[in-house]
Order: sequence, then structure tokens, then C-alpha cells
Amino acid sequence: DARVTQTPRHKVTEMGQEVTMRCQPILGHNTVFWYRQTMMQGLELLAYFRNRAPLDDSGMPKDRFSAEMPDATLATLKIQPSEPRDSAVYFCASGFDRGNQPQHFGDGTRLSIL
Amino acid sequence: GDSVTQMEGPVTLSEEAFLTINCTYTATGYPSLFWYVQYPGEGLQLLLKATKADDKGSNKGFEATYRKETTSFHLEKGSVQVSDSAVYFCALWKNRDDKIIFGKGTRLHILP
Repeated sequence: DARVTQTPRHKVTEMGQEVTMRCQPILGHNTVFWYRQTMMQGLELLAYFRNRAPLDDSGMPKDRFSAEMPDATLATLKIQPSEPRDSAVYFCASGFDRGNQPQHFGDGTRLSIL
Repeated sequence: GDSVTQMEGPVTLSEEAFLTINCTYTATGYPSLFWYVQYPGEGLQLLLKATKADDKGSNKGFEATYRKETTSFHLEKGSVQVSDSAVYFCALWKNRDDKIIFGKGTRLHILP
């Protein structure tokens, strides 16, 4: 089965460091989503892309977070500088923009900011 | 705006018990409805879906019926197993939208 691949699976770093998370969507999918999951807030949509164009990043703290899709096989989420409150699991998901096909999720990047 | 409300957890049941997790939604138009499941250490995966009123989605012994009159999509299973322990998310999607709107999730613990 095709899968969404996220790297790294785990990341521990100190406050103030830059963090880059990567996602390889399923080949042929044209929408990509970034979510953040915490115990307190649950699952939050941070940003999403259609055909590599950013459509909505209203869920993302603009001053420190950035999301890009340099090509159809790679999506990145960067945090600079990182803060302890950014500790969470970050999920990437991909899907189609037509019909009611489900999103396919990666296994997430567990981020800890010390 | 559109939203999904599901019962708060955690829900703790004994093996072979009957399960219901309530989900109601608020949306204009005619959304499609989903249940996703998240096992420990993994991402969400689609469990079942229903695309129109009175449709019943089913998978792995789980069922949910799209009730437009009560705007509900409750998840049920007749006899749960320890392996069903996970977090369950109710969600909706509207035609021509890209985004899926998720509920907050319900954690389910099944005791042997």
C-alpha cells in the first residue's frame, strides 16, 4: 500500500534551534496538509496545499513557522526559532481535491523542545 | 461555522462489551461523514465513511449511520476487543472543500 512518509520520526532539540520536518505525500495526491496534535488542543490544522500552492496557513504561527512544497514529492514544515510550547506530534496527510476520498496520514514527527 | 462534537473520553469498557461513541455535527449543505482511528504511535486512518443521509458505513465490526434529522453519526460495535483500544475521531467533509473538519477525538480503553 502507498504511504505518506514523514521524517524524522522523533526530534529532540533545544529551544531556539531550527527544526525542519519533511513529508513525502502519496504519488498522485494533489493536496497536502500539516496538522499538530497535543493533549490539550487535540488535532489542529496548521496549513495545506493544493497542487503545491499554499491555500490556507491561518492555523500556523506566522512569525516562527513556515510551510513549503518545493516539488510534488516533498513538503516541509520549519520552525525557527523553536520554543518549548511547540512540543507536539506533527502529522502530514495527503489526498485528492475531488470527490470525498479520505486523507492519508503519515505516522508523524514527535517533536520535543527542551 | 461547520463543526463536529463528539463525546469526551476516555471511555473504558471490558472486552466483549457494546460500544457507542456519540458524534453530532453542524454544517450547511450535505457533508460526507467519517470516522478515523488512531492507534498508539501512528497517524489517523480511515475507519468508515458515509456520503449521504441514511447511509451506513461499516468496517472491522464497527458501524455508523448518517442521520440527517438528528445531525448525528454515532459509532457502534457490538463486541469490542482489546485491540480496539485507540483514539477515534469523527469528521466531516463538504463537497468542493479541501479541508476535513475533525472532532476532538475520544480515547477508548478496552480491558481484558
